[in-house]
Formats: sequence, structure tokens, C-alpha cells
Amino acid sequence: RKEVEQDPGPFNVPEGATVAFNCTYSNSASQSFFWYRQDCRKEPKLLMSVYSSGNEDGRFTAQLNRASQYISLLIRDSKLSDSATYLCVVPRYGGATNKLIFGTGTLLAVQP
Amino acid sequence: GAVVSQHPSWVICKSGTSVKIECRSLDFQATTMFWYRQFPKQSLMLMATSNEGSKATYEQGVEKDKFLINHASLTLSTLTVTSAHPEDSSFYICSWGAPETQYFGPGTRLLVL
Repeated sequence: RKEVEQDPGPFNVPEGATVAFNCTYSNSASQSFFWYRQDCRKEPKLLMSVYSSGNEDGRFTAQLNRASQYISLLIRDSKLSDSATYLCVVPRYGGATNKLIFGTGTLLAVQP
Repeated sequence: GAVVSQHPSWVICKSGTSVKIECRSLDFQATTMFWYRQFPKQSLMLMATSNEGSKATYEQGVEKDKFLINHASLTLSTLTVTSAHPEDSSFYICSWGAPETQYFGPGTRLLVL
């Protein structure tokens, strides 16, 4: 099982729609989680951090389900500018180094 | 704040040549930095973790003699792809900071012909 798994999409949604992405992780000891946004040919940018049950920032809501080991990202009232790849990221601690493990990303295309 | 630059932003080179990518933190200092690469339609893969003044720790499958990392200060690190081949063509991204607070550079796109 991959450490971090996401549905690659693409998710094609009309403007104004609500869309949700799921991400599953394998390490039950993980305590923190992140959603990053990556535009085409650009670096990833932090969208949200999730440390407890969830987090909300405007149109974006992240939820954590520890029992089922998944994190979700909900985007309400989608805008054209939300079109991007959304990366689920989980830190891994221990071993030689501490590092971030990136999912393969979910591609969102918001249509006019 | 927390601005990271990479140079060059893109490079095209012939097979067999070496390419150096520079990564700078412009308005902050950090001991630890990371080098990633991203192939088309794939996610970021960590290549190595580097602490200033120490040898870099490379991920499994990443050849340390091929991807040379020099990290001589708290604001500058370089990655040299030695004897580049077409399969090294990728998007190389650096970042600085702790795992949970990383500041990413804009990336360097490498195309090896």
C-alpha cells in the first residue's frame, strides 16, 4: 500500500460546484497533514494544514478521519482559478531524516 | 517573506554534460534544505535532505555521485547533475525549512537532449 494515495482525477466541475477530494495514508501514527496546491509547471504552495479533526478557510474545508486514515478536502463555490493539482502531503518522522511524503495529486479543472 | 529562488529556471543541455542548479533563500536562513524532482504527471519525489555543513542524505535509488549537493551556507545550496542523460529530464525543486514548514523554490526545468 502506498504511503499516501489520491485519486488522480481529473475532476471536471462547473463553476460554482462543490467538489471533494479524498486522500488515504498508511501510517496510523501520523499526526499532521497538509493540502498543497500546484499549478502547472509551478512549485507547490501550502493550502491548508490539518492537525486535529479538521480545518476551514473560506471556501476550503479539510477533514481528518483517523479511524479510517483519510483526509478530505472540500471546495465550495468553485472558481475558475481553483483549477490546479491538489497534493495530499503527510510528514514522515524517524529514520535518517524527517521528510514530507507527497501524494500523486488530484487534478481539478473548473469549467466556465 | 520566505522567498526562495532557483537559477536557472530552465535549462536545455546535451547528453553527457553537467548542469548546476542553484537554490537560495533570499530573506531567511535555515539549516535544512531539500531537493526534489518531479517527472511529468507524477508527484514530487524527495531526492535528498541536506543540512548546512554536513553531507547530504540521499533517498534510496538516488545516486549521490550523480547528483552532487553542495550546501555551504544557510542560504545557498547547489545541485549538480553530472553527465546528464535524457532520463534526467525533470522538474527539480528545492525547499528550505523543517518538514512541516517548507518554503519551495519555483523549480528548474531540465531537458537533456
